[in-house]
Amino acid sequence: GAGVSQSPRYKVAKRGQDVALRCDPISGHVSLFWYQQALGQGPEFLTYFQNEAQLDKSGLPSDRFFAERPEGSVSTLKIQRTQQEDSAVYLCASSLGSGSGQPQHFGDGTRLSIL
Amino acid sequence: AQTVTQSQPEMSVQEAETVTLSCTYDTSENNYYLFWYKQPPSRQMILVIRQEAYKQQNATENRFSVNFQKAAKSFSLKISDSQLGDTAMYFCAFMKRVGGSQGNLIFGKGTKLSVKP
Repeated sequence: GAGVSQSPRYKVAKRGQDVALRCDPISGHVSLFWYQQALGQGPEFLTYFQNEAQLDKSGLPSDRFFAERPEGSVSTLKIQRTQQEDSAVYLCASSLGSGSGQPQHFGDGTRLSIL
Repeated sequence: AQTVTQSQPEMSVQEAETVTLSCTYDTSENNYYLFWYKQPPSRQMILVIRQEAYKQQNATENRFSVNFQKAAKSFSLKISDSQLGDTAMYFCAFMKRVGGSQGNLIFGKGTKLSVKP
């Protein structure tokens, strides 16, 4: 497709379960970001990939959060032993190059609800 | 650390009129980028306009323009001839200029804009 694709669009899990969220960036985009957006708030940065290299993971809230992009295209954000405070919309964004200042193109997000 | 403040949680405007959304930011950086993004109820974040801090000229995109005041660290968005489709959350965002890689966006809390017929 032409845009950033995220799946699933909605995910409900019980506390303690593991979840995996997928992001398919725009074809050819080098840079990929994950953001977490709590209800009524702006998105907050989680992690950044340049191709397959994870260059910045300073925003990951705990070691229960793990992201990968093994072939430099599709990325997966995994959350282990989910907790209620993990409930949020998870947004993926990609940009064409690795240079600074390029616009980021966002997907529709995955709304995660932890019961 | 950089912060972005949007002091107007909600605003409304009549169709065809003009509205200005406020944004201020705090940074010690000299080189950076500023963005306005729109997030309709459908949830996808859409880029509205982008400004490079080292350019004094204010960015414009059709009905959207900014008033960038670097010394005051202010970056307001003006929407002219408002349309019903402009109804959305609007987020102001800051990106530090990083050598050799992309920078992440730092967002404000957003302003909910309602355009009334």
